[in-house]
Amino acid sequence: AQKVTQAQTEISVVEKEDVTLDCVYETRDTTYYLFWYKQPPSGELVFLIRRNSFDEQNEISGRYSWNFQKSTSSFNFTITASQVVDSAVYFCALISWGKLQFGAGTQVVVTP
Amino acid sequence: KAGVTQTPRYLIKTRGQQVTLSCSPISGHRSVSWYQQTPGQGLQFLFEYFSETQRNKGNFPGRFSGRQFSNSRSEMNVSTLELGDSALYLCASSPDQETQYFGPGTRLLVL
Repeated sequence: AQKVTQAQTEISVVEKEDVTLDCVYETRDTTYYLFWYKQPPSGELVFLIRRNSFDEQNEISGRYSWNFQKSTSSFNFTITASQVVDSAVYFCALISWGKLQFGAGTQVVVTP
Repeated sequence: KAGVTQTPRYLIKTRGQQVTLSCSPISGHRSVSWYQQTPGQGLQFLFEYFSETQRNKGNFPGRFSGRQFSNSRSEMNVSTLELGDSALYLCASSPDQETQYFGPGTRLLVL
């Protein structure tokens, strides 16, 4: 069985602060993909990043960066210099055999 | 390319009725998946269709069903609606079985 845990329910920051979202996953599969999605108040899930289980290289894309550590089954996500438009619920997800397993989500509130 | 579209966006039904939701995937995507999102249960996988065949199914009762047409468009049907079926229903399409792109969702309220 697969499981994705996002222990942080809500994070509140002031604009320009960095935000790090934690994600821990469980899977027996050797090949899998991990994702981060953003859900603004409108409800649509917006794809942010994807990482496969064979690639532990951490990257930066604009203000987003991620830290994938297979040894600890963690896939953390950081928003640098947060902006008010980053306010949303962020979901970590794991896919195997076509099924996306989501975490409970972390509400990020960025205040001016 | 146009994104995933879902119709209707909002729907109000009463208990016992049935409802059909529609999803048009991104052009060229052959896989369509459906998810239910509620405050209590979060995001849960309903089913996935690929080339008109159901390929995966989540743990939902038989009242929840779906189908996919030859143009990859998909419909989801819920029969004998219950209050607990009130949710945001999200459709996602995928070109490669990995990255899923979501539509805006259909908000269903059952009274």
